[in-house]
Amino acid sequence: EADIYQTPRYLVIGTGKKITLECSQTMGHDKMYWYQQDPGMELHLIHYSYGVNSTEKGDLSSESTVSRIRTEHFPLTLESARPSHTSQYLCASSRRGGEETQYFGPGTRLLVL
Amino acid sequence: KNQVEQSPQSLIILEGKNCTLQCNYTVSPFSNLRWYKQDTGRGPVSLTIMTFSENTKSNGRYTATLDADTKQSSLHITASQLSDSASYICVVSAGNAGNMLTFGGGTRLMVKP
Repeated sequence: EADIYQTPRYLVIGTGKKITLECSQTMGHDKMYWYQQDPGMELHLIHYSYGVNSTEKGDLSSESTVSRIRTEHFPLTLESARPSHTSQYLCASSRRGGEETQYFGPGTRLLVL
Repeated sequence: KNQVEQSPQSLIILEGKNCTLQCNYTVSPFSNLRWYKQDTGRGPVSLTIMTFSENTKSNGRYTATLDADTKQSSLHITASQLSDSASYICVVSAGNAGNMLTFGGGTRLMVKP
């Protein structure tokens, strides 16, 4: 079973609040990813990282930012949440090289009122 | 543009029956194809991964096929169980720098008693 954790699992906040979604993995994976998924829809990559101090934007434009100060930790921050940010956010990690199967966390369901 | 199309979008079957899910892709250059299972409210979990040279791979009651010439894959579920109710996502990896993934929209399977 994959050891990748996300907190909180559910979050309801008001518009304009700053939030940070946490993601941690204990597998020593170099690569980490953030996906956004609306209910019943496909996953969209919003950020990824190849390792410490590496962050890249994904296919889907997002107002969120990420940081990668430690290998195991890849938090995502929204400076000012809006209702359009309501979605599920999934974090994943993978080894560099080989099959690079991505292991996903349980997700954070965000509702912005 | 790299695309992954899945069909059907949703499917309801009776417990014990078999079913086959389809995936067509236009990702180039092709590296590998994965099938993920995503339970409601959870992150996706990898079921199978196939490279260009593999045309079938099994994981318990799940059997995936790949036809790299026609760029099609299928996931066959045998003797379905209630716990098979989930979304099944086809994910294709491009064989270029970064090995970025293209996700299909998923097939939502419901198994009824």
